[in-house]
Amino acid sequence: EIVLTQSPATLSLSPGERATLSCRASQSVSSFLAWYQQKPGQAPRLLIYDASNRATGIPARFSGSGSGTDFTLTISSLEPDDFAVYYCQQRSNWPWTFGQGTKVDIK
Amino acid sequence: QITLKESGPTLVKPTQTLTLTCTFSGFSLSTSGVGVGWIRQPPGKALEWLALVYWNDDKRYSPSLKSRLTITKHASIHQVVLTMTTMDPVDTATYYCVHRDQWLAYFDYWGQGTLVTVSS
Repeated sequence: EIVLTQSPATLSLSPGERATLSCRASQSVSSFLAWYQQKPGQAPRLLIYDASNRATGIPARFSGSGSGTDFTLTISSLEPDDFAVYYCQQRSNWPWTFGQGTKVDIK
Repeated sequence: QITLKESGPTLVKPTQTLTLTCTFSGFSLSTSGVGVGWIRQPPGKALEWLALVYWNDDKRYSPSLKSRLTITKHASIHQVVLTMTTMDPVDTATYYCVHRDQWLAYFDYWGQGTLVTVSS
């Protein structure tokens, strides 16, 4: 089973700042990695698929990069609506797995 | 517009079997590449993928739970059913039904989730 390790666990930032979230895989997942955003009491929402492609309706301030074992989600300038928990997920190998999440909270 | 909605008991007793139904609209589970799956999330914890059924009835399960899970599709009535046997308090979680897009191949639509509590 591929283990996804996200860091940091919590990221405390102010609106307007840049957020950089990391996801590291225990073995290569090629580019088969997605990022999801989850707000309290809501279901997750797909942000990025195949490492770097924005899903429909996702603002351009969200970007993804990486391949193999190291991936990054960048939020270029945090909006108040962006404070949430972010998960990465791989679909390279069964079982599909999620990271443990990074919480982006207001500093 | 794609929607999914989970239904089932909110409380089950330890050792009982949980049956959850996902009722969906806006897509066909007969379309090549489409899948419907289940993901759960214990309170305050991370997401865990459980099972997925494809349009061609190919089924995938989490290895750690495979012996306890069964996923069944009823494409004609737009439903997917998940059963989980031998429920335990550690299975307390919000259970989400999800749509796997045939092109993106990720979970692009999610149900609202249903909280299932396991307690005597």
